Amino acid sequence: GESVGLHLPTLSVQEGDNSIINCAYSNSASDYFIWYKQESGKGPQFIIDIRSNMDKRQGQRVTVLLNKTVKHLSLQIAATQPGDSAVYFCAEKQSGGYQKVTFGTGTKLQVIP
Amino acid sequence: ETGVTQSPTHLIKTRGQQVTLRCSSQSGHNTVSWYQQALGQGPQFIFQYYREEENGRGNFPPRFSGLQFPNYSSELNVNALELDDSALYLCASSLDLASSYEQYFGPGTRLTVT
Repeated sequence: GESVGLHLPTLSVQEGDNSIINCAYSNSASDYFIWYKQESGKGPQFIIDIRSNMDKRQGQRVTVLLNKTVKHLSLQIAATQPGDSAVYFCAEKQSGGYQKVTFGTGTKLQVIP
Repeated sequence: ETGVTQSPTHLIKTRGQQVTLRCSSQSGHNTVSWYQQALGQGPQFIFQYYREEENGRGNFPPRFSGLQFPNYSSELNVNALELDDSALYLCASSLDLASSYEQYFGPGTRLTVT
């Protein structure tokens, strides 16, 4: 399939270790912050989101942290597996009746077996 | 429940031509958005349709247009193709317009303009 990871920052992690992917955002009016995973040749896949009035949210093996003071978002993946290898995008959505998602710069995660 | 599907998978067009890309939303979803993803970049919002009406547009020229049908399937039309239009075109559907609803993306159509 096509690669979507060209010219992207890359994070290499040993299988079994925890991964932390960071993202800075600029729009203070955003209401939702979202992490997507995109594998080669596929569309983005929703991982987890967090509303602006929260600072932490946990899912299955993933945790998203939001620091509104410094406009920083992070995705933590526990016990990283080879199937986690993909490009990860942070994204934001404003509140109200509008589904426009603004994507940030992606990070390519490479899991070393 | 079927997910979001798009057709065709790949397409090659010549500069100046017109193209129509198609998207079938997930069952029950009345909102569809279209995105353009250039190689190595994140998707860029083109526009959004809600119940057959355009409901928001990104920074794309008028030669990018769309339609949403009563069954909520959708088309993206691009006229007068330029080389820079080469990209992966993604559609995403959501249950409704409110931002609290998650968007589900299709696999995309890879458009190459020569």
